[in-house]
Amino acid sequence: DTAVSQTPKYLVTQMGNDKSIKCEQNLGHDTMYWYKQDSKKFLKIMFSYNNKELIINETVPNRFSPKSPDKAHLNLHINSLELGDSAVYFCASSRIAYEQYFGPGTRLTVT
Amino acid sequence: TQLLEQSPQFLSIQEGENLTVYCNSSSVFSSLQWYRQEPGEGPVLLVTVVTGGEVKKLKRLTFQFGDARKDSSLHITAAQPGDTGLYLCAGMFSGTYKYIFGTGTRLKVLA
Repeated sequence: DTAVSQTPKYLVTQMGNDKSIKCEQNLGHDTMYWYKQDSKKFLKIMFSYNNKELIINETVPNRFSPKSPDKAHLNLHINSLELGDSAVYFCASSRIAYEQYFGPGTRLTVT
Repeated sequence: TQLLEQSPQFLSIQEGENLTVYCNSSSVFSSLQWYRQEPGEGPVLLVTVVTGGEVKKLKRLTFQFGDARKDSSLHITAAQPGDTGLYLCAGMFSGTYKYIFGTGTRLKVLA
């Protein structure tokens, strides 16, 4: 059983398009996160949701909009994609704030 | 700005050698985690340390938390090719709810 799953695994799109990444966790955790990992493998938090409410919103362009329809799902929608958005995006969840379980990642390539 | 610096950044060693990875900050952690990430996968939690001076062992991996809770180390004994990956420390600084990842150490163990 996959604990944290993301779709799609790979996403190739052109500049200016709008795309979404979906995340689901079956661990019963209350908190979910979106991270961006750049080409140097640096992992930076973007958003955090607790019980469907946004609790962390780092300095992220407002083209990025998270949506949490329920505790088990946290989706990421990106408008007007730019070349600099190319990265690997990870979804994670946790019961205790500091122990996080990650999905397999979505590699986004903007051409 | 609170930073987590890891050293070394890259490490390539022969099977059977020992190694130590360091994670340092100028700020105090309320807790610290170590993760391992393999290519194409998300980070996987290895251990959590909470108490200053704490030592935890996971098979051939030994994790130590500094007495002042500002630094941590990961020691691998008799490294094996299966230990290859990106090692990340992460922590929540005392008095904040912000979770930050370290700069990462890429380890390659050659057979």
